[in-house]
Amino acid sequence: DMKVTQMPRYLIKRMGENVLLECGQDMSHETMYWYRQDPGLGLQLIYISYDVDSNSEGDIPKGYRVSRKKREHFSLILDSAKTNQTSVYFCASKTDYEQYFGPGTRLTVL
Amino acid sequence: QQKVQQSPESLIVPEGGMASLNCTFSDRNSQYFWWYRQHSGEGPKALMSIFSNGDKKEGRFTAHLNKASLHVSLHIKDSQPSDSALYFCAVSRESNYQLIWGSGTKLIIKP
Repeated sequence: DMKVTQMPRYLIKRMGENVLLECGQDMSHETMYWYRQDPGLGLQLIYISYDVDSNSEGDIPKGYRVSRKKREHFSLILDSAKTNQTSVYFCASKTDYEQYFGPGTRLTVL
Repeated sequence: QQKVQQSPESLIVPEGGMASLNCTFSDRNSQYFWWYRQHSGEGPKALMSIFSNGDKKEGRFTAHLNKASLHVSLHIKDSQPSDSALYFCAVSRESNYQLIWGSGTKLIIKP
């Protein structure tokens, strides 16, 4: 059974603090994604990773960076978090056709 | 830039009724069309795909694609409370291209 995990599931941070969101997959998929989801806006693509150390900006990369040092692990980093980065963040990995999503991390920046 | 628009934003359907969700896209070169479903508190999950014009049926779910009119739809027959969820339409030009997502339709099935 294909599985994408995300840690932590819930996180509260203060404005200006650094944030690390982690994602893992056990399927050896090459391509992975980070999205954020806000009410009424659907899924907004932050970053794509095509494999280890091969990352590309998505539609809303400003304020975010990513790291992928192992194929099964993809991190999203917020340096000096802002209140408008409060959102639900989803990681996904992709087969030839289908994306598999993790359960999400609900981040609140106070 | 491809635009994917879904309608309605929200939909209430009685249990046992038919739910119809619509999606329009702007890129005539689009080839791959997906419906994803997201239950509250979970990540989206692929429901079904359609790649050719016409209908594709999987159980109570039927997807319809008309590339000429830039339209794809999802119809749910005999709706169940468990069908209550947020439904996303997603479109891409090639299988290895990124998906472009609609903003979703919130479906509520009323017992």
